[in-house]
Amino acid sequence: DVKVTQSSRYLVKRTGEKVFLECVQDMDHENMFWYRQDPGLGLRLIYFSYDVKMKEKGDIPEGYSVSREKKERFSLILESASTNQTSMYLCASSTQQGDGTQYFGPGTRLTVL
Amino acid sequence: GESVGLHLPTLSVQEGDNSIINCAYSNSASDYFIWYKQESGKGPQFIIDIRSNMDKRQGQRVTVLLNKTVKHLSLQIAATQPGDSAVYFCAENMMDTGRRALTFGSGTRLQVQP
Repeated sequence: DVKVTQSSRYLVKRTGEKVFLECVQDMDHENMFWYRQDPGLGLRLIYFSYDVKMKEKGDIPEGYSVSREKKERFSLILESASTNQTSMYLCASSTQQGDGTQYFGPGTRLTVL
Repeated sequence: GESVGLHLPTLSVQEGDNSIINCAYSNSASDYFIWYKQESGKGPQFIIDIRSNMDKRQGQRVTVLLNKTVKHLSLQIAATQPGDSAVYFCAENMMDTGRRALTFGSGTRLQVQP
């Protein structure tokens, strides 16, 4: 079974703090994704990566950056957290050989005070 | 713009009945579709997929129907159980373009009444 894990299920941070969200997958997938999920807005793509050290902006990259130093790990960084970044953050991975099916982690609920 | 959407935000059914969740997509170039289930507090979980060269695909208690003429996708759940209560998303992809990111709909909440 594909397993995607995220470093925290719940996180509370203060405005202006630098926040790191970590994601690890164990299926040797090339592609990894970060989404945020908000009520009424569905899943919105922040960034994705299709190879180590490669990244592409998604639909809402502002205020975020990412890092992919190893194939299995994809990090989302909030350089200076703001209250409007309070959300559920979901990581996913997929193989480039497949149809594009993405497998998701359990999510991190981030609250910025 | 291109979008994947759902007709009903909330669907309430009786336990044991069949459920049908609908999804409309606007990009006729999409050729691969996925249904995900998301239970409260969890990440989306893959349920079933279908390619555009098919119009029906069956899994265990679930069936996905694709009508390319009207750009409509549906998920049918047979003998709905309390454990089926969740939010269901459809997603689309365009395989020929090599697009790596899926486009997701906003979700339908399925509530199963005992």
